[in-house]
Amino acid sequence: AQSVTQLDSQVPVFEEAPVELRCNYSSSVSVYLFWYVQYPNQGLQLLLKYLSGSTLVESINGFEAEFNKSQTSFHLRKPSVHISDTAEYFCAVSNPEGSNYKLTFGKGTLLTVNP
Amino acid sequence: ETGVTQTPRHLVMGMTNKKSLKCEQHLGHNAMYWYKQSAKKPLELMFVYNFKEQTENNSVPSRFSPECPNSSHLFLHLHTLQPEDSALYLCASSRRADTEAFFGQGTRLTVV
Repeated sequence: AQSVTQLDSQVPVFEEAPVELRCNYSSSVSVYLFWYVQYPNQGLQLLLKYLSGSTLVESINGFEAEFNKSQTSFHLRKPSVHISDTAEYFCAVSNPEGSNYKLTFGKGTLLTVNP
Repeated sequence: ETGVTQTPRHLVMGMTNKKSLKCEQHLGHNAMYWYKQSAKKPLELMFVYNFKEQTENNSVPSRFSPECPNSSHLFLHLHTLQPEDSALYLCASSRRADTEAFFGQGTRLTVV
């Protein structure tokens, strides 16, 4: 069985500060990894994904995440956050070798960016 | 806009009512899902449909009844709900069962 742990339920930061949202996963097989963002009263939007290849993946709005197989982590980082980055962030893992759907989400991290 | 449309966006219903949530995608995806998102709880996968066949039912009470008439449409029929069923219900779809899911904006359901 696979699982996802997001270590911080809330992360408050000041505008223009760097931020790291932590995600660790547990899986006995190879994985695909995802970060989703949810703004208030909205559905989840895919932020970035790791399927294969380069372990560092980037989004169009300055976020990046690095797949670390030895540490089973996929932490999300941004060097300088904006007020508009305030949202809830979900890490998710899926099993590409399974025939059934196995996209498992973490509990989410609420990022609050203060002026 | 993700290409997944849910209606209605908000719904208030009594415990004896019957209502349906609708989800539509025209992305050519083969898998569709219902999730429940409650305050202070993680996302809960409710149902999975792959090529119109239900492949997963995560012990969801029978007062929730899904229907997938074709690969573009997914419904969630609701009857005799409880106040604790109040939540944001999210529909999602994906090209394959292991690829990223695209979510609709959700239906905010309040059971009174």
